[in-house]
Amino acid sequence: AQSVTQLDSQVPVFEEAPVELRCNYSSSVSVYLFWYVQYPNQGLQLLLKYLSGSTLVKGINGFEAEFNKSQTSFHLRKPSVHISDTAEYFCAVSGVDSSYKLIFGSGTRLLVRP
Amino acid sequence: DAGVIQSPRHEVTEMGQEVTLRCKPISGHNSLFWYRQTMMRGLELLIYFNNNVPIDDSGMPEDRFSAKMPNASFSTLKIQPSEPRDSAVYFCASSFRGHNTGELFFGEGSRLTVL
Repeated sequence: AQSVTQLDSQVPVFEEAPVELRCNYSSSVSVYLFWYVQYPNQGLQLLLKYLSGSTLVKGINGFEAEFNKSQTSFHLRKPSVHISDTAEYFCAVSGVDSSYKLIFGSGTRLLVRP
Repeated sequence: DAGVIQSPRHEVTEMGQEVTLRCKPISGHNSLFWYRQTMMRGLELLIYFNNNVPIDDSGMPEDRFSAKMPNASFSTLKIQPSEPRDSAVYFCASSFRGHNTGELFFGEGSRLTVL
């Protein structure tokens, strides 16, 4: 079974500052990793994913994440945030043997202030 | 292209009433998921269909919950009888499982309030 931990429930940051949202996972098998974003009153949409290959993954809206197998982490970063990035961000994991079953973290609310 | 369509967007009902939530997945997708989102428990997978067949319903809370997928373009999630603790946002998501990419396309959700 897999699990995901997002330690930060809320991250406040000023506009144009860099941000990192932390995600750690546990699994007994190889994994696929994802970040999803949820804007208010909307469903989730995929930001980026790691399936295999390069450990640095680039996604939409200028976000990127790095898969670190030794630290079992998949932190999300953006060098300069905008007000429009204010949203809830979910890290998710699935085992490669049961890839349909996404396990989501509890979410991190990114609050970008002017 | 139309995304995943859910209805109703909001539902307020009284305890004991039957609730039916509906979902139309993206055309061509062969996997459908129902998730429940609450503050306390976050996002939980309730049930997963592949090619209209329920594959994993281990997340369905109890017998009051049932889900069907009579064809590739329609699914329902029914709660009977409803209870206040069922209040949550229910999301439907679809994907094309053959790609094994894990990218789910979510609807905008149905917010259920049980009084």
